[in-house]
Amino acid sequence: EAQVTQNPRYLITVTGKKLTVTCSQNMNHEYMSWYRQDPGLGLRQIYYSMNVEVTDKGDVPEGYKVSRKEKRNFPLILESPSPNQTSLYFCASSLGADQPQHFGDGTRLSIL
Amino acid sequence: GEDVEQSLFLSVREGDSSVINCTYTDSSSTYLYWYKQEPGAGLQLLTYIFSNMDMKQDQRLTVLLNKKDKHLSLRIADTQTGDSAIYFCAESILTGGGNKLTFGTGTQLKVEL
Repeated sequence: EAQVTQNPRYLITVTGKKLTVTCSQNMNHEYMSWYRQDPGLGLRQIYYSMNVEVTDKGDVPEGYKVSRKEKRNFPLILESPSPNQTSLYFCASSLGADQPQHFGDGTRLSIL
Repeated sequence: GEDVEQSLFLSVREGDSSVINCTYTDSSSTYLYWYKQEPGAGLQLLTYIFSNMDMKQDQRLTVLLNKKDKHLSLRIADTQTGDSAIYFCAESILTGGGNKLTFGTGTQLKVEL
C-alpha cells in the first residue's frame, strides 16, 4: 500500500532534549516536505526537499533541521526543543515538485 | 504574499449539499487543492483543479474555480455523516524551490441527522 509513515505518532518530552521524527515513503517520490499544524494557523511549511541531498527552508524553519540522505526518508530533527514547538507535525511527499502531495497521519509533539 | 482564507465552520443536514468556500490572493497558482482531515488523522487529498480549469467533477464532489475573483469552492452532494471533518483549501505555486503549498485555516463541516 502506498503510504507516508511517520514515527512516533505521539511524543511528550522536555525542553532541550533532542528528538527526531522520522518520515518514510514507499512511492519513490522525489519531493518531501514537513509541515506543522497549529489552531487558527492552518498548516505551515517547515522544510522541504526536492531530491536526495537537496533541502531548503520553508516558512517556519527556525529550531528545526532536516536531512535527505536517501530518497525514501526525510527525518525532522529538533536539536533543542522548546515549548513553542508543541504542535501537530505532518510529513508529505509527491512524485515531483508540482504534483499533489500525500500526507502522513501526523505526529503530535508536546514539549514541556 | 500568499494568503488563503476559509470560513471556520459549516453545519448541514444529512442528504443536503454542502458548499465550502475559499479565497486566495496569488494569481500565479498552478493547482488548487482540497484536503480532508478526520479527527486524529492526516490530510487526505480529496481533489484538485488545475488553474486553467473552471470546474471539475468527481462523483459527489464538484470544484468550481473563479480565477477573476480568486474564489474556489467545494460542493459535496448528498452529504453524509462520514463527511464530517475539517476541509482545507490549499494553493500551489511553483517556485524555483519547488511546489509551495499555502493552506487555509480549514473549515469544520458538521453533518447533522
